[in-house]
Amino acid sequence: DVQLVESGGGLVQPGGSLRLSCAASGFTFSSYNMNWVRQVPGKGLEWLSYISSSSSSINYADSVRGRFTISRDNAKNSVYLQMNDLRAEDTAVYYCARDFCSGGRCYEWFDPWGQGTLVTVSS
Amino acid sequence: ETVMTQSPGTLSVSPGERATLSCRASQSVSSNLAWYQQKPGQSPSLLIYGASTRATGIPARFSGSGSGTEFTLTISSLQSEDFAVYYCQQYNNWPLTFGGGTKVEIK
Repeated sequence: DVQLVESGGGLVQPGGSLRLSCAASGFTFSSYNMNWVRQVPGKGLEWLSYISSSSSSINYADSVRGRFTISRDNAKNSVYLQMNDLRAEDTAVYYCARDFCSGGRCYEWFDPWGQGTLVTVSS
Repeated sequence: ETVMTQSPGTLSVSPGERATLSCRASQSVSSNLAWYQQKPGQSPSLLIYGASTRATGIPARFSGSGSGTEFTLTISSLQSEDFAVYYCQQYNNWPLTFGGGTKVEIK
């Protein structure tokens, strides 16, 4: 089965850092673009970052650009989100999500999603 | 940034009835629109992509339509398992953006 499993969430103080990981299984990870999306509890979804299959293309939402860094290790079937200078408004569940890719083309709709990891920024 | 606006915020529907959810984009996204369903305590799951193509395993009672700036998700006959929050997402322009969601609740 295709599966994404996030880890690394937890409680961090404002201004602190955290690194999230997403472990992929059940598909050829190196062929797929990956994304991070977050959701404040009880609120909507916010796309944060994208990384292409070879890491040659990366995009960020304005809300996190300069503070968050996406990366991947295709040998470990994992994608990461390094989060620095965390703020209270970064408190959310963080999901990794896979692009759809077929026939050499990829599209930025998300399937599947991981189960999410909760990040709480509080003193 | 392409702003996605969903309406209504909450839709109260009786089981077996039809539900119509709307999603409007602030600029054209062509047919590059997806719909997701999220149940309480779960991750979102893909329903529709390309504005009208059902994802694998999605029942035929779910249908999507529209292009450009106006989109609709229709659930023809609501089942108990369909009560959830639904989000639209455009993937035509960076940054990728979601609508605020429509909660479909039992009337």
